[in-house]
Amino acid sequence: DVQLLESGGGLVQPGGSLRLSCAASGFTFSTFAMNWVRQAPGKGLEWVSTISGSGGDTYYADSLEGRFTISRDYSKNTLYLQMNSLRAEDTAVYYCARDRCSGGNCYFDYWGQGTLVTVSS
Amino acid sequence: QSVLTQPPSVSGAPGQSVTISCTGSSSNIGANYDVHWYQQLPGTAPKLLIYENNNRPSGVPDRFSGSKSGTSASLAITGLQAEDEADYYCQSYDSSLSGVVFGGGTKLTVL
Repeated sequence: DVQLLESGGGLVQPGGSLRLSCAASGFTFSTFAMNWVRQAPGKGLEWVSTISGSGGDTYYADSLEGRFTISRDYSKNTLYLQMNSLRAEDTAVYYCARDRCSGGNCYFDYWGQGTLVTVSS
Repeated sequence: QSVLTQPPSVSGAPGQSVTISCTGSSSNIGANYDVHWYQQLPGTAPKLLIYENNNRPSGVPDRFSGSKSGTSASLAITGLQAEDEADYYCQSYDSSLSGVVFGGGTKLTVL
């Protein structure tokens, strides 16, 4: 079975950094693009970032203003999100999600349980 | 303000049917990008409900169906059940933003 398990969330001060991890199992990790999607408390879903199966292509939401970096480690079957210069508005549950694409149309077929990031002094 | 517009809430009695709309524009749904739907039960992660406009993943009841026309899409739920009470999100791709976009979500209440 496909499993995605996020970790690394917690309380961080404004301006601080945090690295999230997502351990993947049950599928060939290198075959699929992976994503981070976040959800602020009581709010809707917001796409954050995508990394291709090869790791050679990365994409980010404009709202991040270059503060986040997505990466993946094939030896550990793990997806990462390095978050720098954190702001209060980055407070959210962060989900990792597997990408499925057909003809350029992509959706998220499996999601992790999420990890909560709270940015506050 | 979400790129895709959904009604904040809908409701229906058990056994009834409801429809949730998702309105986009010429840079997303109207540009022929597919629409996908997710169900988020209270306190849980989102789950894929409908992909590529009208396809159900294995295990999703056929009470759930999707459609798309022009710059809009819809999710229909027939034979409402108490366990359908959840938030529902549509998702597509936007060529102007060069990224994935979601609707703001619709809370379904089963009366």
